[in-house]
Amino acid sequence: SQQGEEDPQALSIQEGENATMNCSYKTSINNLQWYRQNSGRGLVHLILIRSNEREKHSGRLRVTLDTSKKSSSLLITASRAADTASYFCATDHPGRRALTFGSGTRLQVQP
Amino acid sequence: DAGVTQSPTHLIKTRGQQVTLRCSPKSGHDTVSWYQQALGQGPQFIFQYYEEEERQRGNFPDRFSGHQFPNYSSELNVNALLLGDSALYLCASSPAPRGSYNEQFFGPGTRLTVL
Repeated sequence: SQQGEEDPQALSIQEGENATMNCSYKTSINNLQWYRQNSGRGLVHLILIRSNEREKHSGRLRVTLDTSKKSSSLLITASRAADTASYFCATDHPGRRALTFGSGTRLQVQP
Repeated sequence: DAGVTQSPTHLIKTRGQQVTLRCSPKSGHDTVSWYQQALGQGPQFIFQYYEEEERQRGNFPDRFSGHQFPNYSSELNVNALLLGDSALYLCASSPAPRGSYNEQFFGPGTRLTVL
């Protein structure tokens, strides 16, 4: 079963706008990772945030983590049509070797 | 520096057949994980191999088996294929698990269609 849940399931915005996706999980984590997937192809690793971190930036990406609420958000600023893809959060839990993925947010950026 | 590679890219099989998928990990990585991704869903963990042994397994039946070779490459075998096995199969590699850092790098996947 999938532990992480992304919200919203789908998001459509105009180029230049910001896109925010949220992820929730149920049990304690070592870290949380965000991945991107274009049209059913392989997953591209975007960013990893450790459980003792609250915010992390990478280019136009900003990730926050609130372990008290067991939630994370991914913000993509100044979106581009090329950002159109599905975005997944994946959690790494103590004692487990697997990443647990949510069901993803499908982002459509209109040019 | 080659990333994770998988073969074949696409595969079509019929129910009851057997299939073998292959994965070569990223250079410097010795751990390989396999995931199944059904259409419109997130990836589901099948199992992980490290030092040629299955280290952890997800909720998949014994029809799913694997192997890791001394060069760290890996195979996923699925026997007695069912229609529901149609999915994108993703391989991910990582360095041996250390502490709280478990970043996995994914290959492009193998699209399996069972007719």
